[in-house]
Amino acid sequence: DVVMTQSPLSLSVTLGQPASISCRSSQGLLYGDGKTYLTWFQQRPGQSPRRLIYFVSNRDSGVPDRFSGSGSGTDFTLKISRVEAEDVGIYYCMQGTHWPPGYTFGQGTKLEIK
Amino acid sequence: EVQLVESGGGLVKSGGSLRLSCAASGFGFKNAWMSWVRQAPGKGLEWVGRSISESDGGKTEYGGALKGRFTISRDDSKNTLYLQMNNLKTEDTGVYFCATENLGGQADWGQGTLVTVSS
Repeated sequence: DVVMTQSPLSLSVTLGQPASISCRSSQGLLYGDGKTYLTWFQQRPGQSPRRLIYFVSNRDSGVPDRFSGSGSGTDFTLKISRVEAEDVGIYYCMQGTHWPPGYTFGQGTKLEIK
Repeated sequence: EVQLVESGGGLVKSGGSLRLSCAASGFGFKNAWMSWVRQAPGKGLEWVGRSISESDGGKTEYGGALKGRFTISRDDSKNTLYLQMNNLKTEDTGVYFCATENLGGQADWGQGTLVTVSS
């Protein structure tokens, strides 16, 4: 089965500074239809998850443009250009290319403010 | 506005059963693909399974770890998604979310319902 590995697992960032989270898959995520099914979610404390990015680099409606996604193949990155207080939470990557096993999440990366 | 409201969670003994519901509104439920995702206390997200709309084939698909104990169904006339959970184990404890699916992942999420399985 495909395994999603995030790093780091925790991140402490000064307000206004950038942050970067890596997500690696054990198998390539390019599907036969030409799309790469790699999604990023944010889960703020006590809240439900919220999708930020789909198909590697497409921001969902309402997501600030300080969030960006990039990557291809097996290596992907979520970047926050300038961290704000509301960005505190846990970030998850997820693959949807390989079926079975179906959607597979990374372990999560906890972002806190330094 | 999309609204997803889960219900049916609670405390159940190991080996017992529970049926969760997800009431949907604000979008065309009949044509929507829907997922269940769970989260054990203090842990990460785990995909449980999904229901594909009847117009797209009507399949249900499950995460590999469930070993046939969980069944997803839907009632399009009631705009409701269900998760029937049988032979529950303590490791099934957690918050269960329903979510809409599009663009390769879960788009809109409910607030979740807590399931606690005691030994």
